[in-house]
Amino acid sequence: GAVVSQHPSWVICKSGTSVKIECRSLDFQATTMFWYRQFPKQSLMLMATSNEGSKATYEQGVEKDKFLINHASLTLSTLTVTSAHPEDSSFYICSAPRGGFTEAFFGQGTRLTVV
Amino acid sequence: SQKIEQNSEALNIQEGKTATLTCNYTNYSPAYLQWYRQDPGRGPVFLLLIRENEKEKRKERLKVTFDTTLKQSLFHITASQPADSATYLCALDGSGGSNYKLTFGKGTLLTVNP
Repeated sequence: GAVVSQHPSWVICKSGTSVKIECRSLDFQATTMFWYRQFPKQSLMLMATSNEGSKATYEQGVEKDKFLINHASLTLSTLTVTSAHPEDSSFYICSAPRGGFTEAFFGQGTRLTVV
Repeated sequence: SQKIEQNSEALNIQEGKTATLTCNYTNYSPAYLQWYRQDPGRGPVFLLLIRENEKEKRKERLKVTFDTTLKQSLFHITASQPADSATYLCALDGSGGSNYKLTFGKGTLLTVNP
């Protein structure tokens, strides 16, 4: 099956710093990827749609200047949390659709802790 | 706005029994409904997809039903095993028919006791 890989699996950073999370499709090309955020005991909330070669589309209430998304190639999308604050601490997950498959393929997630 | 409810936050059952999880939705008419499994600290893993014109779908010990009149899906695990313990998420396809842009319920934490 299709594999989507996220890196890092976890990261701890100081308040005010920026953190970059990578999402790669390992055995297929993905022109679109999705970024979700999940707080404890909450559902996955879609943050933005990453589009290869064009600007990302953000969901209502998500600050595009804070959560920078870059989809520079057909196999890589990155999410940068800029000037991170403790309230940004969460579990970030990406997904990528693959042609011929109806389901979404998810990365293993990144646990971000801002101290 | 569309709303998805998985009305059991947690479910505990004995090994060998059938687990039944419920997903209800409002203000929406999805083309697809999907069920995922999520283990602690991991991303969701796809289990089953059922289309709006399907009543039931099976895969090994898993069964999903979809009632578009009741706006409800039931997810069954028969002959449950401790290894089935996980959080199970219900997801609907996004507006515009995009089945990759998903809206998730909060999930039900299933614990199967040996």
